[in-house]
Amino acid sequence: EAGVVQSPRYKIIEKKQPVAFWCNPISGHNTLYWYLQNLGQGPELLIRYENEEAVDDSQLPKDRFSAERLKGVDSTLKIQPAELGDSAVYLCASSLTGGKGNEQFFGPGTRLTVL
Amino acid sequence: AQRVTQPEKLLSVFKGAPVELKCNYSYSGSPELFWYVQYSRQRLQLLLRHISRESIKGFTADLNKGETSFHLKKPFAQEEDSAMYYCALATTGNQFYFGTGTSLTVIP
Repeated sequence: EAGVVQSPRYKIIEKKQPVAFWCNPISGHNTLYWYLQNLGQGPELLIRYENEEAVDDSQLPKDRFSAERLKGVDSTLKIQPAELGDSAVYLCASSLTGGKGNEQFFGPGTRLTVL
Repeated sequence: AQRVTQPEKLLSVFKGAPVELKCNYSYSGSPELFWYVQYSRQRLQLLLRHISRESIKGFTADLNKGETSFHLKKPFAQEEDSAMYYCALATTGNQFYFGTGTSLTVIP
């Protein structure tokens, strides 16, 4: 099994441009997470989905960030417009359910560089 | 407020020596604690969780609610243990917090 799939793996854009990241979770996993990881830091949760519902988006900067998981399977995270400070690794993870004891399976991440 | 603190950014030990990676948390409820590991060029993956009370790859971690700690220990470090280790906390409301990570290097 491929595990959590993310694309693209790397993205370089100029500031003020839009960018989108895609994630396909492990088949059968109802819960999907988007994390932001800055250099030298741990992952920080941006948004958590239970099926197609965003159940925790309290840390998502909604002025420029948006996410969707329309059919409760794959998901897209968008930034518009991107700023220099958005340069980071964006991680997607999935778990069977959102129970706090459940293991999260991570994708390889998308490394974004904003010039 | 920082929920999870890993005081050591870098930790080096010799092969065969004991290793302890420290993790302290701040949460008044009933936490779930985890250790995740990222080996070079690999994905972040679960190493162990406190509810399982198991030893994985020789590592153990005990939840100490009095000291609000969840330190990761291994009696004899191996070269293949060199990796980035993250302590993580899940709250009752299913919110997740990761520490800043500790980079472990095991010297041959």
